[in-house]
Amino acid sequence: GAVVSQHPSWVICKSGTSVKIECRSLDFQATTMFWYRQFPKQSLMLMATSNEGSKATYEQGVEKDKFLINHASLTLSTLTVTSAHPEDSSFYICSASSPGQGTADTQYFGPGTRLTVL
Amino acid sequence: GESVGLHLPTLSVQEGDNSIINCAYSNSASDYFIWYKQESGKGPQFIIDIRSNMDKRQGQRVTVLLNKTVKHLSLQIAATQPGDSAVYFCALAFYNQGGKLIFGQGTELSVKP
Repeated sequence: GAVVSQHPSWVICKSGTSVKIECRSLDFQATTMFWYRQFPKQSLMLMATSNEGSKATYEQGVEKDKFLINHASLTLSTLTVTSAHPEDSSFYICSASSPGQGTADTQYFGPGTRLTVL
Repeated sequence: GESVGLHLPTLSVQEGDNSIINCAYSNSASDYFIWYKQESGKGPQFIIDIRSNMDKRQGQRVTVLLNKTVKHLSLQIAATQPGDSAVYFCALAFYNQGGKLIFGQGTELSVKP
């Protein structure tokens, strides 16, 4: 149980285009979803926290107009990288949590999405 | 500010030996601490966690030690196997911030057969 999926697993796009990444909780309802970014050989950096039905809370330094997050249902959150540039190339990972899954605030991680912007 | 760091960025051990991965942190407000394993190209995998009111917890082949006095966390892996090769991250979790996680920089563990 507590499986989180991401789609696509990898994507290559041209500079200036927008890319949407989906994060789904497959067998539980996620009240909260988190989006992380990870550059090569570096740690995971939290970008934003989203609760179903409300606006996402972005970490300091993360442009909310560039990284659009939508959490319209209890099983789906999307991250859209708008006007992507090569410096946005990274590994994007989502996680989901629910009070009914595991211990309080346990985060279940997705497999990640590799974004390459040419 | 919050920061989490590791003493050793890389660790190479012989198969069958024990491994110890360390983590130093500065924020003492964390409610619990978690160790994750991340294989190349994959998301983090939960290994073990420990509440802030505990100093030791054991799992299958793994032990986590917490020393709040010196703000130090360690992960011990017994009888390390080639399948343990990965990057290991410690993370601090905060209940009052919706379960927010702050990750350490990571240690790459390489197990030699």
